[in-house]
Amino acid sequence: SQKIEQNSEALNIQEGKTATLTCNYTNYSPAYLQWYRQDPGRGPVFLLLIRENEKEKRKERLKVTFDTTLKQSLFHITASQPADSATYLCALVGNNAGNMLTFGGGTRLMVKP
Amino acid sequence: GAGVSQTPSNKVTEKGKYVELRCDPISGHTALYWYRQSLGQGPEFLIYFQGTGAADDSGLPNDRFFAVRPEGSVSTLKIQRTERGDSAVYLCASSLTELWGDEQFFGPGTRLTVL
Repeated sequence: SQKIEQNSEALNIQEGKTATLTCNYTNYSPAYLQWYRQDPGRGPVFLLLIRENEKEKRKERLKVTFDTTLKQSLFHITASQPADSATYLCALVGNNAGNMLTFGGGTRLMVKP
Repeated sequence: GAGVSQTPSNKVTEKGKYVELRCDPISGHTALYWYRQSLGQGPEFLIYFQGTGAADDSGLPNDRFFAVRPEGSVSTLKIQRTERGDSAVYLCASSLTELWGDEQFFGPGTRLTVL
């Protein structure tokens, strides 16, 4: 069966360091992979999209890699700030018709000042 | 501009009752999605609409769940004979098109509690 795995344990890092979050998937051939941020009591907010033929995408302090051989995406936040503390969700698109998202369970990031 | 709105923000009901959850998408967005999120988990797809029609309802857990979008904008998710296991946050999202990868904009969700 299809499975998308993110580290369920919270990631605690010091302000200024680089946070790296992992998303692994099995039995899936996504056309796209997206990363979302979710704060408590709110809906997810889109951050970045990477296509299956792209290896890396950057946006300001964010970087996403996508390795379709390893079936893995890494999400990096450089120069992390306490305001980056949130839950980060990866989502896959493209195993079925339509744009519906299949989400991982999310990883909670805590950036300490 | 206005984002996706959902009402009510919280709904408490008793087991066996009927509930309706409403979603107002971003104006002009043709695709609308419903997801359900349990505590500590990622959102789980339920159904999506392209215009007025349900393009894929494969995520609806059983026939107690039904959704409509009669005029291609506002959508209502309807749950009959609610069960305690239906308790979750119900999220609605919209996107400009249904094309793969098109960014989805999420509402704040409706927290449903079935006692």
